[in-house]
Order: sequence, then C-alpha cells, then structure tokens
Amino acid sequence: EIVLTQSPGTLSLSPGERATLSCRASQSISSTYLAWYQQKPGQAPRLLIYGASSRATGIPDRFSGSGSGTDFTLTISRLEPEDFAVYYCQQYGSSPVYTFGQGTKLEIK
Amino acid sequence: QVQLQESGPGLVKPSQTLSLTCTVSGGSISSGGYYWSWIRQHPGKGLEWIGYIYYSGSTYYNPSLKSRVTISVDTSKNQFSLKLSSVTAADTAMYYCARITFWSGYYPFDYWGQGTLVTVSS
Repeated sequence: EIVLTQSPGTLSLSPGERATLSCRASQSISSTYLAWYQQKPGQAPRLLIYGASSRATGIPDRFSGSGSGTDFTLTISRLEPEDFAVYYCQQYGSSPVYTFGQGTKLEIK
Repeated sequence: QVQLQESGPGLVKPSQTLSLTCTVSGGSISSGGYYWSWIRQHPGKGLEWIGYIYYSGSTYYNPSLKSRVTISVDTSKNQFSLKLSSVTAADTAMYYCARITFWSGYYPFDYWGQGTLVTVSS
C-alpha cells in the first residue's frame, strides 16, 4: 500500500505570503495520478490540482502543483484570506487504488 | 453543472447495515468516462476511499472494507448507493459521494456531494 505523508502538519502564514505544502509517497507514483484538494470547515473537499500540475476548472492561478516520483508540492503564491483551509494530496493507482495524505492545515498567523 | 446529493439515515445501530444513496443531477450517470464513488471522513480526521462503480455495474472496493461493502447503481433513477454491513462505532463518519473523471486519463474526484453524517450508536 502506498502511503502519502504530508508536511508540515500545520502551516501558519499571513495573507500575501507564499505557502509551500509537501506530499511524499512511500514509493514512486505516476504524476498523472496525483491530485490536491482543499477542504474548508463544514464543506466537502474541492479539487484543486490533478495530474500533479494541472489546475482544475475555476481554480485561481496562484495555486500551482509540481513534482514527480515520490515528492510533490502544492504552492500558493500569494495567500488570500479564503485560502486558509486543510489541504490533502491523493494518489490513484496502487492498491487500495485511492489513498489520501493525512492533510496539512493552513492557518492564519 | 453536475451535482451530487447524499441521502439516508443519520443514525444506525451497531451490527446493522448502513445504507446511503447518492442522487446525481445535471448529468447522466450512464455517461461513459466516469466512475461514481464513496469516500468517508471520520470526525476530525482524513479521507478514506470506500469504493466506486461504473454505470455498467462494475465495482472496485477498498480492500480494507471489501468484505462489508456493496455499491450498486440505478441508472433509471440516476442514483448509486452504498451498503456497509455489520457497522460499529468505528464506522461513524461523514460519508461523501463523488464523481471520478477518467476519460481524460486522469482519475481525480472532480465533483463531490455535500456529505452526510452517519452515527453508529444504540
């Protein structure tokens, strides 16, 4: 089973700053099958990035994804107040087919 | 715009079967290129994929839950359903239905329902 480990667990930043979130896989995965989601309190997750670097429909260009192999990154170039949330990475492909990271909480400093 | 809506009992007794339905609107569940999935989230925790179904009825389940899970589809009603048997308190969670788009070669969960909280308690 592929395990996704996200770091840091909590990231405290101020609006306007740059956020860098990490997702590390326990073994190499195809970047095609790596996605990122944003979840705000009381809401369902929302797809941000798929294929490691492609933005989903309607996602602002301050969100970007990168990486390959075992190391992937979600970057938010300039934080807006609405960006403070929990972020999950997710992989598809290896049994049990879909797994998620444990999440990174992005909080206002 | 595709929308998904979960429905079902919010309280289930231990050892009984949890049953939820997801109604899809704004698109046909019979359209090729999509899987229809269930995901759950324990209170204050991360996300756990349960399984998915294709409109033809083909299914794939998380091995950790496979022995207790059944996902079915009713194309005439544009719905798919989840049954989880022999529930315990550990099955208390928010349950989400979601669409997986695979025709593009990627397999993300691109549309989600709002979720429904199911509590297992006597």
